[in-house]
Amino acid sequence: DIQMTQSPSSVSASVGDTVTITCRASQGINSWIAWYQQKPGKAPKLLIYAASSLQSGVPSRFSGSGSGTDFTLTISSLQPEDFATYYCQQSNSFPPLFTFGPGTKVDIK
Amino acid sequence: QVQLQQWGAGLLKPSETLSLTCAVYGGSFSGYYWSWIRQPPGKGLEWIGEISHSGSTNYNPSLKSRVTISVDTSKNQFSLKLSSVTAADTAVYYCARRNYYDSSGYVEEFGFDYWGQGTLVSVSS
Repeated sequence: DIQMTQSPSSVSASVGDTVTITCRASQGINSWIAWYQQKPGKAPKLLIYAASSLQSGVPSRFSGSGSGTDFTLTISSLQPEDFATYYCQQSNSFPPLFTFGPGTKVDIK
Repeated sequence: QVQLQQWGAGLLKPSETLSLTCAVYGGSFSGYYWSWIRQPPGKGLEWIGEISHSGSTNYNPSLKSRVTISVDTSKNQFSLKLSSVTAADTAVYYCARRNYYDSSGYVEEFGFDYWGQGTLVSVSS
């Protein structure tokens, strides 16, 4: 199974800051990674797919990069509504076995 | 606008069978895989399995022996059954749409783009 790790596990930031979250896969997954935002009591929301493609309706302050085993999610100019937990998810297994990272909580400094 | 609405029993006893259903409104039911994903309280996300509109299934090997996912295309619904539940199965269960494109075996993945509202299932004696 492909394991996903994320760092940091939590980060404190202020409105206007730039936050970078890293996700590492236990083996190469090409660019088949997605990023999700989850707020308490809500379902995850897709932000980025295929490592760097912005999901429709998602603000452009969210961006993704990377390929192979190392990936990043960057939130530029953090807004109050961005305080949430972020998960990465890989889609490179055959047969399909989708795995998520453990999450990174972004909270207010 | 695609919407997923899910329902099912929220309190089970150990050894019982969990049963949830997800209805899809708006958009096409074919051309996607329809997944179940769960999240234990305060923890991360675990993919359970998925089904296509034609009934093709993929399961997480860690749960495969206890999981059945079925589809009713006449109602645009799909369902999850998880047998012999224990306290470890206590979680919020989500249904979700996996968006992808398969071109002669080369698959492009576009993520889980629509989710249900979640159902908390608690297992307790």
